[in-house]
Amino acid sequence: ELQLVESGGGLVQPGGSLRLSCEASGFTFSSYWMNWVRQAPGKGLEWVANIKQDGSATYYVDSVRGRFTISRDNAKNSLYLQMNSLRAEDTAVYYCAKDASHTDSPWYYFNHWGQGSLVTVSS
Amino acid sequence: DIQLTQSPSSLSASVGDRVTITCRASHYITTYLNWYQQKPGKAPKLLIFGASNLQSGVPSRFSGSGSGTDFTLTISSLQPEDFATYSCQHSYTPPWTFGQGTKVEFK
Repeated sequence: ELQLVESGGGLVQPGGSLRLSCEASGFTFSSYWMNWVRQAPGKGLEWVANIKQDGSATYYVDSVRGRFTISRDNAKNSLYLQMNSLRAEDTAVYYCAKDASHTDSPWYYFNHWGQGSLVTVSS
Repeated sequence: DIQLTQSPSSLSASVGDRVTITCRASHYITTYLNWYQQKPGKAPKLLIFGASNLQSGVPSRFSGSGSGTDFTLTISSLQPEDFATYSCQHSYTPPWTFGQGTKVEFK
């Protein structure tokens, strides 16, 4: 069974850092683009970042570019999101999501999601 | 960035009702439009991709249509398990934005 399990969320002060992890199982992790998508409390979904199968390409939404870094370790079937200079507006549930494409090119929609990890930025 | 506007923001319906949700894009996106269902405290679930293609395992009472800037998600006969929030998302050009969601509530 395909599973994505996020961890690493918690309470952090403004300006602080946090690293989220997503452990994948049940599929060939190294064959898929992977994404982080977040949802602020009571708000809609927001795509945050994605990463190519071999980690050679990454893309970010403007609001996090320069502060967040997406990475992956295919040997560990794991996806990461390093979040620095955190702001109150980064408070959200962060989901790890798998791109639906089974080819080298992503399709930019998401057919499997983790359960989410809550990040709260507050003093 | 491409903005997606859903209407209505919420609706009340009964089991067996036909429900229609619309999603309007701020720019032309051909058929690069996807729909998700999300229940409280749960992750989103992909329902429809490419405007009208049913994701594997999704009941056939769900359907999608549209192209260009105007899209529709239809539930032909609402079931108890369909009470949820539905969101559209485009996959045309980055950033891959979502609509604000439509909450389907029990009347």
